[in-house]
Amino acid sequence: GDSVTQMEGPVTLSEEAFLTINCTYTATGYPSLFWYVQYPGEGLQLLLKATKADDKGSNKGFEATYRKETTSFHLEKGSVQVSDSAVYFCALSVYGQNFVFGPGTRLSVLP
Amino acid sequence: AAGVIQSPRHLIKEKRETATLKCYPIPRHDTVYWYQQGPGQDPQFLISFYEKMQSDKGSIPDRFSAQQFSDYHSELNMSSLELGDSALYFCASSLKHRDSNTEAFFGQGTRLTVV
Repeated sequence: GDSVTQMEGPVTLSEEAFLTINCTYTATGYPSLFWYVQYPGEGLQLLLKATKADDKGSNKGFEATYRKETTSFHLEKGSVQVSDSAVYFCALSVYGQNFVFGPGTRLSVLP
Repeated sequence: AAGVIQSPRHLIKEKRETATLKCYPIPRHDTVYWYQQGPGQDPQFLISFYEKMQSDKGSIPDRFSAQQFSDYHSELNMSSLELGDSALYFCASSLKHRDSNTEAFFGQGTRLTVV
């Protein structure tokens, strides 16, 4: 079945550090890829998405590029802030099917 | 803009009781998903509906059932509750395009505690 793998957390960084959260996927069809963020006590919010190979999703300084050849969708941000502390979920969806989530990566940014 | 509305936000039930969770999707969205998220876990897919018909089924226990009504709202019915059912239950909605998926928009979730 379809699956998403993310790097193990938690990740702890200092403010203004560079962030990378790795995500790789396995899908039987041609998936759309997503990054969702969950702040404490809240629901999941879409951070960014890409629907086809080589697309780059970006939002709030975060970026991820859909790499079909490596089946990856790594999340990056050049300079993290304390307010970025949250749990980040990589997800995929093949048309007509449900969304499959990775295990989540908890990010803590220290001032 | 209207978001996905879930009710109640918090629910406490005793073992073997029944619970009903409600979800009101974003207007004009045609697909509803239900997910269960245990403490420190990723969301696990339970069930989904497309145009009021069940479209996909995940790890939903036989004790649970769900349906989508004519006004597109959905209800998750949970019977014979067990302590392990304590979790955050999310509903999400999306609008299917012809050849790709739009993102799913999630509600704030219902936190169910079984005591």
